[in-house]
Amino acid sequence: QSALTQPRSVSGSPGQSVTISCTGTSSDVGRYNYVSWYQQHPGKAPKLIIHDVIQWPSGVPDRFSGSKSGNTASLTISGLQAEDEADYFCCSYAGTYVPYVFGTGTRVTVL
Amino acid sequence: EVQLVQSGAEVKKPGESLRMSCTGSGYNLFNYWLGWVRQVPERGLQWVAIISLADSNNRVSPSFQGRVTISADRSTNTAYLQWNNLQVSDTAIYYCATRPAVDGSPLDHWGHGTLVTVTS
Repeated sequence: QSALTQPRSVSGSPGQSVTISCTGTSSDVGRYNYVSWYQQHPGKAPKLIIHDVIQWPSGVPDRFSGSKSGNTASLTISGLQAEDEADYFCCSYAGTYVPYVFGTGTRVTVL
Repeated sequence: EVQLVQSGAEVKKPGESLRMSCTGSGYNLFNYWLGWVRQVPERGLQWVAIISLADSNNRVSPSFQGRVTISADRSTNTAYLQWNNLQVSDTAIYYCATRPAVDGSPLDHWGHGTLVTVTS
C-alpha cells in the first residue's frame, strides 16, 4: 500500500485560507469515507483534527474543514493563525487488514 | 481523560530484538483498540499494527509482517509490540494510539512516543 500524496509545503499569511490536498487511489480515499487529518507540532505527537472526511473531534476549531472528491481529499484552514504552523498528515482507511494509510505530510508555514 | 503511557527510549544494535509497551487508562478497553504508528526522522507516518485489548484480535501491516508481533494483557490494559531482527532503518519514534472498536475509526488519542535508535 503506497503512501497518499500531499504537497511538501504550503504557506499563507495570517487570516488567509490554505488548502492541502491528499491524493490516493480507488482502493483507499476513493473507496471509503474514512479520511482523517492529523496536526503535528515539532516534538509533539500527532493530534486528530478531522475524521470521517468532514467531522471535527470535540475541541477542534471549525476553522479546519475537510472535503473529498474522487480519489483526493482536502483540508482547508480558514483564518490562518500563527499556532496553525505545523505538519499535517492525511490518513485513509484501506480495508480491515490495512486500516491506516498515511499521507506524505505537508508543512504549513504562516508568513 | 484518556491517557497512554509508553515505555522508555531504547538503543539497539542491528539484528537485536525489542519489546515496547503502551498502557492505557481512562476508557473502557472493550470499546477501544490500541495501535502503533512509527515516524522516521524528517519523514512521514507509517501504521505498524493494531490490537483489541478485549480479545487480542489484531492486524499487522503487510510491510512489517514476519518481523513484528503485537500482543495484549487485558488485566493491565497494556499492549506490547515486539520487533525482531531490527535494522538501522527501524530507527524512529513509535507512537501508540487508541482507536474506537469500529472498523474505519480514526486514531483519536496518542501517546508521547518511544524513541528507538538502531545503531552499530
